Amino acid sequence: AQSVTQLGSHVSVSEGALVLLRCNYSSSVPPYLFWYVQYPNQGLQLLLKYTTGATLVKGINGFEAEFKKSETSFHLTKPSAHMSDAAEYFCAVRSGAQKLVFGQGTRLTINP
Amino acid sequence: ETGVTQSPTHLIKTRGQQVTLRCSSQSGHNTVSWYQQALGQGPQFIFQYYREEENGRGNFPPRFSGLQFPNYSSELNVNALELDDSALYLCASSLEGSRREETQYFGPGTRLLVL
Repeated sequence: AQSVTQLGSHVSVSEGALVLLRCNYSSSVPPYLFWYVQYPNQGLQLLLKYTTGATLVKGINGFEAEFKKSETSFHLTKPSAHMSDAAEYFCAVRSGAQKLVFGQGTRLTINP
Repeated sequence: ETGVTQSPTHLIKTRGQQVTLRCSSQSGHNTVSWYQQALGQGPQFIFQYYREEENGRGNFPPRFSGLQFPNYSSELNVNALELDDSALYLCASSLEGSRREETQYFGPGTRLLVL
């Protein structure tokens, strides 16, 4: 079975500070990994994904994530937080053809 | 190119009733997946439809059913509504359901409240 654990249900950073959102996965086959963002009262928007190849993946809005197989991790980072980054972030793994398995989410708050 | 759309945006039902939610997939996509997102949780996979056939199902009872139409739009039907069915229902479309690397593009969701 596949699973995702997001460490920290709430993360708060100051504007301009580094953003680090943690994601660990469990998968019996090579995983495909995704980060989605959800703004209030909206659906999910893809930030980035890892399938194969380069382990450092760059996404939209200045976010990037690194796939580390030895640590079963796929942490999301952004060098400098912006007020508009405040949202809920979901890490997901896709091992089977059909479904995404999501973590519980991390709510990111940006302090001015 | 239009994105994924869902209707209605909000819905209030009472326990025991039936509800139908609708989803129009992104242009060119032949696969639709449905997810349930309870308050404060991540989305949970309900089922997927690929070229009008169910192509995988999550751990949801049979009173959750679906359809996909020739134009690849889809419906989610829930019978005998229970209070715990209150959630945001998300529809996602993708280009080819059988490929793991395909991105699922999500609609804005339908928020269902069961009283």
